[in-house]
Amino acid sequence: QKEVEQNSGPLSVPEGAIASLNCTYSDRVSQSFFWYRQYSGKSPELIMSIYSNGDKEDGRFTAQLNKASQYVSLLIRDSQPSDSATYLCAVNSPEQVANNLFFGTGTRLTVIP
Amino acid sequence: GAGVSQTPSNKVTEKGKYVELRCDPISGHTALYWYRQSLGQGPEFLIYFQGTGAADDSGLPNDRFFAVRPEGSVSTLKIQRTERGDSAVYLCASSPGYYNEQFFGPGTRLTVL
Repeated sequence: QKEVEQNSGPLSVPEGAIASLNCTYSDRVSQSFFWYRQYSGKSPELIMSIYSNGDKEDGRFTAQLNKASQYVSLLIRDSQPSDSATYLCAVNSPEQVANNLFFGTGTRLTVIP
Repeated sequence: GAGVSQTPSNKVTEKGKYVELRCDPISGHTALYWYRQSLGQGPEFLIYFQGTGAADDSGLPNDRFFAVRPEGSVSTLKIQRTERGDSAVYLCASSPGYYNEQFFGPGTRLTVL
């Protein structure tokens, strides 16, 4: 059974702070890792993808991947109230024909003005 | 460009009825996925199309669920003899290829009374 674990939160940070979101996964052969942002009542929106160990930066977002530890994280710098949402970690499943994504239950982030 | 579209946005039906949910993927995307998301959970994989054929339907919960994609573009998810446990948000995602990122539509919220 493939598992993607996230702290469900809620995680609260003050405006301007760094928000750190963490995710662990069980499938050692996973190759692709994604972070989706989901506002309440909306569908998931892709914000970051990472495929290699190390850091990947895009604007205020940095994704970090450590395949040896089966750990992926998302850092949000200069957090804004508009970042308040649920963040879903997703991992691919290359053994499946579909190579579909397995999702964690999400971490709810609240940025306090 | 236009994203993934899904219709209807909301569907309320009675137990035992038949429903159809439609997905129109991003133009040119060959891979199409259906997921289902229950409250407080991440999306769960249902079925994958590459082109016209259902390449992987291992996530369908039972034989009441069926999906088609006759011309390799629009897909329809069909649920027979709906049950209250089928109530969820049904999400469609498309991808330009097998190893690429998946982009979600707005979802259809299905409520079975």
